[in-house]
Amino acid sequence: ETGVTQTPRHLVMGMTNKKSLKCEQHLGHNAMYWYKQSAKKPLELMFVYSLEERVENNSVPSRFSPECPNSSHLFLHLHTLQPEDSALYLCASSQETGTNGGEQFFGPGTRLTVL
Amino acid sequence: GEDVEQSLFLSVREGDSSVINCTYTDSSSTYLYWYKQEPGAGLQLLTYIFSNMDMKQDQRLTVLLNKKDKHLSLRIADTQTGDSAIYFCAESWNNQGGKLIFGQGTELSVKP
Repeated sequence: ETGVTQTPRHLVMGMTNKKSLKCEQHLGHNAMYWYKQSAKKPLELMFVYSLEERVENNSVPSRFSPECPNSSHLFLHLHTLQPEDSALYLCASSQETGTNGGEQFFGPGTRLTVL
Repeated sequence: GEDVEQSLFLSVREGDSSVINCTYTDSSSTYLYWYKQEPGAGLQLLTYIFSNMDMKQDQRLTVLLNKKDKHLSLRIADTQTGDSAIYFCAESWNNQGGKLIFGQGTELSVKP
């Protein structure tokens, strides 16, 4: 595998379900990100991890819970979501979060539908 | 505050040049980026420009930055049907930990 991979690619869940999104980067990067992409809206940064520590939590509701067990893996745990949480969730990585933090490599995303 | 604006749609003929425009509000940004998103895929970094530069050229891509007007543009020469995608501009800052603020994206449609 190369680059940034995300699983699953598609997910349909009910409001009472608990599910997790997985992201893995094979680039040797130290920073990882979760973004939410909704139709007709700019990408919204959700979380930033640098060297496995969360450095940014962009006012995201607690029903989204990130986990970064090591610098190659990032999870987004979902529980009691709302229909308005339906979106494309994108994971990205970068070498670091400093000067070149904007040079991010994105995965293909998980298309989430909440019923 | 931080805000990045783009027009939503652009349609061009194959072989023509495309110019995608972006305006931003925070002049303290360090880098400005252009990302491309093809259907069903994540974003791909195309190019970026440091905020103290006026222009950057990379093969068919030319980035122009007018810092006074807070205006960024991406010119694609000899546009091909494979260039059809959504193009996002984004800005970042040295001291804000990899945070990117994106525009809404411009959907480029290239007609044969």
